[in-house]
Amino acid sequence: SQQGEEDPQALSIQEGENATMNCSYKTSINNLQWYRQNSGRGLVHLILIRSNEREKHSGRLRVTLDTSKKSSSLLITASRAADTASYFCATGANFGNEKLTFGTGTRLTIIP
Amino acid sequence: SAVISQKPSRDICQRGTSLTIQCQVDSQVTMMFWYRQQPGQSLTLIATANQGSEATYESGFVIDKFPISRPNLTFSTLTVSNMSPEDSSIYLCSVALGTDTQYFGPGTRLTVL
Repeated sequence: SQQGEEDPQALSIQEGENATMNCSYKTSINNLQWYRQNSGRGLVHLILIRSNEREKHSGRLRVTLDTSKKSSSLLITASRAADTASYFCATGANFGNEKLTFGTGTRLTIIP
Repeated sequence: SAVISQKPSRDICQRGTSLTIQCQVDSQVTMMFWYRQQPGQSLTLIATANQGSEATYESGFVIDKFPISRPNLTFSTLTVSNMSPEDSSIYLCSVALGTDTQYFGPGTRLTVL
């Protein structure tokens, strides 16, 4: 069964605007990872945040994690047409080479 | 990071046949994972493959349907056996490199007619 749910399921914004996606999960985690998938191809790893971290940045990406609410958010600032993709969160329960449980995904469309 | 390749990238198969998907990594890894992504859906873990031992299957997946080989630390295969149209999916392999980050291959898009 799916660990997490993401919302919104789909999001369309104008180029240059910020996009925020949310992920909720059900059980305790060691880490949470965000991935991007373009047109049903392979997944590109974006960022990993550990359970003892609250916020992480990478370029135009900002990820937050609230373990008390079992939720995470991914913010993409100054969006570009190339950001159009599906975004998935995935949780790892234990440290070290652990299988991931994926959320339902958010389909992001950037309108030029 | 890891460079992962998969073969074939896509295939169209007839029902009742089998397809073997290959996954090659450019570094030695202990564990490799196989996922399935059905059309318009998220990823679901099929099994975890350790070198030198039997693969561990998730609930709903069985070895007879999805036999896996892991002959060395850089290679694995997944076979989809006795295929039906419901097996049409993208199949992806992944590896973890010690820091918990998992890297994915480009996927194999399978269509079963």
